[in-house]
Amino acid sequence: DGGITQSPKYLFRKEGQNVTLSCEQNLNHDAMYWYRQDPGQGLRLIYYSQIVNDFQKGDIAEGYSVSREKKESFPLTVTSAQKNPTAFYLCASSMDRGQFYGYTFGSGTRLTVV
Amino acid sequence: KQEVTQIPAALSVPEGENLVLNCSFTDSAIYNLQWFRQDPGKGLTSLLLIQSSQREQTSGRLNASLDKSSGRSTLYIAASQPGDSATYLCAVTNSGYSTLTFGKGTMLLVSP
Repeated sequence: DGGITQSPKYLFRKEGQNVTLSCEQNLNHDAMYWYRQDPGQGLRLIYYSQIVNDFQKGDIAEGYSVSREKKESFPLTVTSAQKNPTAFYLCASSMDRGQFYGYTFGSGTRLTVV
Repeated sequence: KQEVTQIPAALSVPEGENLVLNCSFTDSAIYNLQWFRQDPGKGLTSLLLIQSSQREQTSGRLNASLDKSSGRSTLYIAASQPGDSATYLCAVTNSGYSTLTFGKGTMLLVSP
């Protein structure tokens, strides 16, 4: 079945450490997105990519970095510059930038700073 | 900047009731509106997608309407069941830059 796979499901980060969240899709979608979800704040856009080797900052990109070397993959790195990284991270993709077919989401990664 | 508001923030109903969740948005320049369901600790499951040119979409016991000019959408759930308990999120795809803007969700609890 086609879908989006996020790994790991749970991730623990020590202070000052960089961690990378994986997002892989087999839907042949061009566009991919990273969202952060905090209790009471809804989902906020971190980065998005509409084509391979290109990506744009979202509303809360500071302290995060991404790459898009392959159509199927859009990993997110949470750097030590992100002061409050504890959150639920969701990856999404769309065939046509969401214009007609909407968005598909993965099952999420919960990141906790220890 | 697009803002999406969902009312109520939480709702508790007995099984069998029909209920309505509300969503409003400030900028009518949208491609579509999508309703999602989220179970605790899980990802988002798409329920219904309404294009900006459409007035409503139906799937089983769910019916979503869209009034683009007034910036409103409703999600109607008929004959609610305990399995409907979840958080329901409304999101709009903004024209031009094609990104999603979400509301904060309505947390629904259906009691047996």
